[in-house]
Amino acid sequence: AQKITQTQPGMFVQEKEAVTLDCTYDTSDQSYGLFWYKQPSSGEMIFLIYQGSYDEQNATEGRYSLNFQKARKSANLVISASQLGDSAMYFCAMREPLMDSSYKLIFGSGTRLLVRP
Amino acid sequence: DAGITQSPRHKVTETGTPVTLRCHQTENHRYMYWYRQDPGHGLRLIHYSYGVKDTDKGEVSDGYSVSRSKTEDFLLTLESATSSQTSVYFCAISAGSDVSANEKLFFGSGTQLSVL
Repeated sequence: AQKITQTQPGMFVQEKEAVTLDCTYDTSDQSYGLFWYKQPSSGEMIFLIYQGSYDEQNATEGRYSLNFQKARKSANLVISASQLGDSAMYFCAMREPLMDSSYKLIFGSGTRLLVRP
Repeated sequence: DAGITQSPRHKVTETGTPVTLRCHQTENHRYMYWYRQDPGHGLRLIHYSYGVKDTDKGEVSDGYSVSRSKTEDFLLTLESATSSQTSVYFCAISAGSDVSANEKLFFGSGTQLSVL
């Protein structure tokens, strides 16, 4: 079975500095997708970034980048130039196929990031 | 923003009572999901639907049932609520059937359910 592991329950970062949130995954599939979501205190789930297993380059979306190391099965999220609004819970997720060509996302337990002014 | 509406947003109920949560989408997406979020567990899939009247169980389906009579509506029912079902419930939708594509899930705002 596929599994996502986030080993950092909580992290602090100083405003304007970069921070890396760790994510490791376990799968026997050759084709898979990895996602990061942000959940601010208001509770909504916000999609941040996606990495496909066959993508040759690391994904980037503005200040977010994904450090994808396939051999190590890690997909760490890097946030550059942290802002106070980045304080939130961050979830790493992996796509797992279901029947009828559908799929679900399996999630890690999350990392709570607090940005200090 | 994806057109997903969950109702109610908050509910307090007593043990043993039935509860129904509703998810309504305006995107005409084929796939709909119910997840629950608990501290230390992230989000876990309860049930999902891959079309009208087509549903299947997720990893934490015990004590829950679902129905989808229309493309836009996906109902989650707790037949007899228990305190262990106190949680935040998220509905999600997806258009995609291409598992190689960037087919992310869009989430509703969540329902906070407290079972006393």
